[in-house]
Amino acid sequence: QVQLVQSGSELKKPGASVKISCKASGYTFTSYPMNWVRQAPGQGLEWVGWLNTNTGNPTYAQAFTGRFVMSLDPSVSTAFLQINSLKAEDTAIYYCARIVMVGFDSWGQGTRVTVSA
Amino acid sequence: SYDLTQPPSVSVSPGQTAIITCSGDKLGTKFACWYRQKPGQSPVLVISQNTKRPSGIPERFSGSNSGDTATLTISGTQPMDEADYYCQTWDGSTGVFGGGTKLSVL
Repeated sequence: QVQLVQSGSELKKPGASVKISCKASGYTFTSYPMNWVRQAPGQGLEWVGWLNTNTGNPTYAQAFTGRFVMSLDPSVSTAFLQINSLKAEDTAIYYCARIVMVGFDSWGQGTRVTVSA
Repeated sequence: SYDLTQPPSVSVSPGQTAIITCSGDKLGTKFACWYRQKPGQSPVLVISQNTKRPSGIPERFSGSNSGDTATLTISGTQPMDEADYYCQTWDGSTGVFGGGTKLSVL
């Protein structure tokens, strides 16, 4: 069955960087785009962007351009989200999610990133 | 940027029909999807492409999309349906989520 397994929780200081991973299994990794979604504490879902898993070409939401970098390693069926120059407001749970047609049909368990001095 | 608007909360009695709306400019010309999220869990796709139920989603979940409004309907609502519900669409190659609706089953 399709599984997306994300890396564990991270505690970082402001200004640091963090790289979250999302390992896919149960399907051909390069057949479906991968998305990233952010959920701040007590808030709704925010779309971060999506990654073409064939070409590695990323598309970012306007609010996530600059410090957010999506990448992938097809050899290990893994997508990554790196956040640079972390700010307190980046504290959130970050989810990876596979797109099938237009919907996110499978989600990772989420990675909690806490930014605190 | 494209915006989707949902009511913050909807309340329904068990066994009744819950209707959750999602509004956006000419949303009916796009595909709408719906997700259910229970506390501490990842979201789950309950409606894709306006009306399609993924495998494992009960028949009491249905969707429609016309004009400026997409609608998620839960017939015979059960206490287990209490959750946050989010609509989502694509504006070109950009994903957009609604703000979410908390469904209370009282």
